[in-house]
Formats: sequence, structure tokens, C-alpha cells
Amino acid sequence: SYVLTQPPSVSVAPGKTARITCGGNNIGSKSVHWYQQKPGQAPVLVIYYDSDRPSGIPERFSGSNSGNTATLTISRVEAGDEADYYCQVWDSSSDQNWVFGGGTKLTVL
Amino acid sequence: EVQLVESGGGLIQPGGSLRLSCAASGFTVSSNYMSWVRQAPGKGLEWVSVIYSGGSTYYADSVKGRFTISRDNSKNTLYLQMNSLRAEDTAVYYCARIHRMSPQGGFDYWGQGTLVTVSS
Repeated sequence: SYVLTQPPSVSVAPGKTARITCGGNNIGSKSVHWYQQKPGQAPVLVIYYDSDRPSGIPERFSGSNSGNTATLTISRVEAGDEADYYCQVWDSSSDQNWVFGGGTKLTVL
Repeated sequence: EVQLVESGGGLIQPGGSLRLSCAASGFTVSSNYMSWVRQAPGKGLEWVSVIYSGGSTYYADSVKGRFTISRDNSKNTLYLQMNSLRAEDTAVYYCARIHRMSPQGGFDYWGQGTLVTVSS
């Protein structure tokens, strides 16, 4: 089955740029989606189809995808960005077609 | 406004059954791809099941043969029938809509989740 690998944690100072990676075999050939989840809340889609932003998501959130790594970039990080972030793809070659990464805890120092 | 509201969770003994509901508003369930995603306590997200607009259904290996996804078009509601429940099924269960009716789409709307606890 297809595996997505994320770092368990990323720390960043306010105002700086956070980058969260999502590794997978030839992930650049797939559409990658990113979710933000704050404690006790449902996930929220922040980036879809690699780099598109749903309405209401700040421009500070951006995404890229190439080769074996997709990246979520959060510019000018704010305290309110502290959350768990998950990447997700659909894998047509796997029985478990909708695959999530293990999640990354973003800590704002 | 799109809204998804789950219900039906609770405490259930191993081997028992439970049916979760997800009432939708602001869009038509039967015209969309709808899914269930779960999250065990302190763990990550795990896809559980999907139903396509045409009625095709798919399941994660971990629940195949025990869970059934369905919908009631007249009530605009999604369901998850869970049988032969195990301790490892303990999780918050979210219903979610898949964007653009494509398997490659992301989950663009989520409910608030309902907690299922399987324990004796």
C-alpha cells in the first residue's frame, strides 16, 4: 500500500516560514491535499490539488509537489497556525485508496 | 451554507453494532462522493469508506466485511453501519465530502465528528 511520510514535528518562530514535507514514491504524479487540525476540532482543508487554496484560507498558506516530496509552506507564521497538519492523496493502485500521512505537529515558539 | 452533522456514537461492547448518521445541508448527498474518516485517540486520520454518487462503495481493509456505508436520499443523510466492533475501532468518526466528485479530490467539508468507544 502507498505510504506518506511526514516529520512528527516542526517548530518555527512567529513571523518566520514553516515548511512541512510529505514524502511518497513518485508523489509528484499525484494530487496532494493538506489539512489543518486544531485540538478538539475537525480537520480543515487548507491546500488542495498540490497548490490551490480554498476560499477563506490565507495566502500565507501555499503548496508544491514534485518528485518524491510535497511541501506545505506557511509564511509569516502566527500563533494561531499551531496545529497538526496532514497530507493526503488518492492512490489508484492501492486497496486503501485514500491515504493520509501520519501528521506533523507545528509548534509556534 | 454546507453543513455536516454526525450522530450515533457512544459506548458499545466488543462484538456489538452501531449505526452512525451524517445529516447534510447546503448540498445533495446523492450527487456527491461522500466518505467516512476516523481518528483514534491521539492518532492520525484514517480513511474508512466512500460512496460514490453512482452508488459504488469502497472500504478500508481494516473494516471490510464489518462496516457498510449507505445513504438515504430523501433525508439527505449518510450512514455507516458498524458490526462486529472491536476495541481498535475506537475513534472519532468524521463524515466528509470529496471535492469535485473526483476520487483525486480532497475532503472539502467535514462534520464535527462523533466518538465511538468500544469497550467492555
